[in-house]
Amino acid sequence: GNSVTQMEGPVTLSEEAFLTINCTYTATGYPSLFWYVQYPGEGLQLLLKATKADDKGSNKGFEATYRKETTSFHLEKGSVQVSDSAVYFCALKGPPGGGKLIFGQGTELSVKP
Amino acid sequence: GAVVSQHPSRVICKSGTSVKIECRSLDFQATTMFWYRQFPKQSLMLMATSNEGSKATYEQGVEKDKFLINHASLTLSTLTVTSAHPEDSSFYICSASGAQSSYEQYFGPGTRLTVT
Repeated sequence: GNSVTQMEGPVTLSEEAFLTINCTYTATGYPSLFWYVQYPGEGLQLLLKATKADDKGSNKGFEATYRKETTSFHLEKGSVQVSDSAVYFCALKGPPGGGKLIFGQGTELSVKP
Repeated sequence: GAVVSQHPSRVICKSGTSVKIECRSLDFQATTMFWYRQFPKQSLMLMATSNEGSKATYEQGVEKDKFLINHASLTLSTLTVTSAHPEDSSFYICSASGAQSSYEQYFGPGTRLTVT
């Protein structure tokens, strides 16, 4: 079945450091890929998405490219801020499963000033 | 973007009682709503999918008689935890999806349930 694997956290960075959170997936067909962010005590917010191979999703300085050849969707940001501290979830949606989102285990990011 | 609310944000109940959590799509019609459960420092576990006017579809291992889901309108779904026990304590998150949200899931802020 479909699955998503993320790098384990927590990830601790200093402000303005470069961020990469790895995400790989297993899926049949051509899923859509997502990154969600969860701030402490809150629900999930969609950060960015990509719906087909080689698409790049971007938002708030974060970006991720849908790489079909490596089945990856790594999240990157060139310069993180303290306010980026949160848990980041990689997810996919695609056949089979209809509208169900399959989430990775989440990666906690802590940015220190 | 589309807005989904949940009420209450936090609830404490005694063991053996029932508690209802509401999920509302505020600015779009949600033909489908999803209920998730999240344990501390873990991912979201899909509990059930509900389509407006239909019975919910529960994931394997989720007790449908314990977690009652109702989706009576295009803007409201409810999750009732019946005869709650301490092991039901968790963070419950709903999401909503519909044509007006381009079928993307928009998530509520979550409800923290504590059963004493």
